[in-house]
Amino acid sequence: DAGITQSPRYKITETGRQVTLMCHQTWSHSYMFWYRQDLGHGLRLIYYSAAADITDKGEVPDGYVVSRSKTENFPLTLESATRSQTSVYFCASSGQGNNYGYTFGSGTRLTVV
Amino acid sequence: GQQVMQIPQYQHVQEGEDFTTYCNSSTTLSNIQWYKQRPGGHPVFLIQLVKSGEVKKQKRLTFQFGEAKKNSSLHITATQTTDVGTYFCADSGSSNTGKLIFGQGTTLQVKP
Repeated sequence: DAGITQSPRYKITETGRQVTLMCHQTWSHSYMFWYRQDLGHGLRLIYYSAAADITDKGEVPDGYVVSRSKTENFPLTLESATRSQTSVYFCASSGQGNNYGYTFGSGTRLTVV
Repeated sequence: GQQVMQIPQYQHVQEGEDFTTYCNSSTTLSNIQWYKQRPGGHPVFLIQLVKSGEVKKQKRLTFQFGEAKKNSSLHITATQTTDVGTYFCADSGSSNTGKLIFGQGTTLQVKP
């Protein structure tokens, strides 16, 4: 789905560095989400946003920061990367919350060394 | 908090065999959504079930919502190699926050 893009696709960073993962959608969807996917844990919600300037914690928010100054962008920042944050990160958006399916981005594979 | 459990975790089938994955919850499910994730890909929305007892079909895929809205299933008839991937169910929970609670997924392998 070209309407939601994540960048970068792959990232290697060192422990302790700050890294930002970008997510951009072109549909003006109200809801946006960040999930991480690890073997054995499925998809775990990090943060979500119901609209610009409204964000809330998900299941595993520690060590992450988000912002949403514009509807179309929802960047995820790892303030001080740790090895446990090595994962695949997916951004998703939805037009009407619970009643519509999510559209996921292609993901960012992050490795913290 | 609410948990959505999927079984089995893994399933290997011979091409042409049927496959079923189950999604269970201890609490009443709100709306159930199903997603497919191909190896190396991202989850893709398949369908949403809303009503108790609802059954929906997409070609060889049959989705069902339990009468008590505590379980759901996805059945694939005569699997093909293109069915390989991980199938996730997700529940929207009781609050209209837009959040989905995902099951752990069932990974399907199909032997040609």
